[in-house]
Amino acid sequence: AQSVSQHNHHVILSEAASLELGCNYSYGGTVNLFWYVQYPGQHLQLLLKYFSGDPLVKGIKGFEAEFIKSKFSFNLRKPSVQWSDTAEYFCAVNERNAGNMLTFGGGTRLMVKP
Amino acid sequence: EAGVAQSPRYKIIEKRQSVAFWCNPISGHATLYWYQQILGQGPKLLIQFQNNGVVDDSQLPKDRFSAERLKGVDSTLKIQPAKLEDSAVYLCASSSAGTSTYEQYFGPGTRLTVT
Repeated sequence: AQSVSQHNHHVILSEAASLELGCNYSYGGTVNLFWYVQYPGQHLQLLLKYFSGDPLVKGIKGFEAEFIKSKFSFNLRKPSVQWSDTAEYFCAVNERNAGNMLTFGGGTRLMVKP
Repeated sequence: EAGVAQSPRYKIIEKRQSVAFWCNPISGHATLYWYQQILGQGPKLLIQFQNNGVVDDSQLPKDRFSAERLKGVDSTLKIQPAKLEDSAVYLCASSSAGTSTYEQYFGPGTRLTVT
């Protein structure tokens, strides 16, 4: 069974700092990749996704992620974080042609200090 | 467009009691999912429905958990009897089709505490 690893459980940054959250998955086949975000008191929502094509994908609110197939990674980045980016971030993987089932990582809780 | 609705938002029960959660997906979404999210972990898929049929329930503890989606719209997830380790947030999600290219939309979840 595939698994998804997020290496950082808690990250604390100051505003304007750069962000990179790691995500690695174990499945060797073709996958779709997602980052979801959960702001305090809100439900999970999609931040960005990768299905095919350009491995550098851009999402909402200035976030981007890069798919590196050789490293089985899909790291999330943002050049300059804001206090409003305080949230929990989840990486998720779906095996292509295996239905729409998502396997989530354990999440990274980001706190941005004003 | 209205989002995925879930109720109740919070539930506290004693172990060995039963509990049921309700989900109303986004209108027109054929696929519905139930996830369990234990504190400090990512969501784990319990069951996936396509219309009113089960696509995958391999991670559903069938000795105590059951789910149904009558008429292919609303769904209920039941736990009977509950155990302490069932304390979690139960998330419902829906997508417009069962293929892997469709985004899943999540509801607010039901937070269950088993004492």
